Amino acid sequence: QVQLVQSGAEVKKPGASVKVSCKASGYIFIRYSVHWVRQAPGQRLEWMGWINVGNGNTYHSQKFQGRVTITRDISASTVYMELSSLRSEDTAVYYCARNLDVFDFWGQGTRVTVSS
Amino acid sequence: QSALTQPASVSGSPGQSITISCTGTSSDVGRYNYVSWFQQYPGKAPKLMIFEVTNRPSGVSTRFSGSKSGNTASLTISGLQAEDEADYYCSSSTSTSNYVFGTGTKVTVL
Repeated sequence: QVQLVQSGAEVKKPGASVKVSCKASGYIFIRYSVHWVRQAPGQRLEWMGWINVGNGNTYHSQKFQGRVTITRDISASTVYMELSSLRSEDTAVYYCARNLDVFDFWGQGTRVTVSS
Repeated sequence: QSALTQPASVSGSPGQSITISCTGTSSDVGRYNYVSWFQQYPGKAPKLMIFEVTNRPSGVSTRFSGSKSGNTASLTISGLQAEDEADYYCSSSTSTSNYVFGTGTKVTVL
């Protein structure tokens, strides 16, 4: 069965970077793009960006331009999202989601807390 | 890219029908049929309920249906049940090959 398993919770200081992983299984990894969506406490879902797993091309929301890096390791069936220059407003649960014109499977979420 | 606009809350009694709207622009909802709806319980990941405006994934109750007119998409839940109490989000692809989510709607079963 399709699964996206994310790495564990992180606590970071302002200005630091965080790298979250999303390991896929149960499907042909390169056939689907993987997107990242975050949700701050009590707030709405916010789309961040995605990677074309097949060719490695990435696309980001303008809001995160310059701060987010999405990569993939095909041999490990894993996608990574790194967010730099963290600030308190980046405290959120970060989700990865598989996409082929629809977000049909989601990871369990990774809580990132930014606090001094 | 601004969020799609949804009502903050919608409520109904068991057995009733409710409709949640999702208003975008001619660059997203109005332009593409890649509108989806998600159900989210507190502390859980979103679950796909409707995709491509009207389609239900396998396993999703037929009580959930979707539609679109112009720049506004809608999710209707008929025969409202206690288990439908959750947050609901719409999403749409955009003209920039990206995506946008709605502001979210809290559904309360009275």
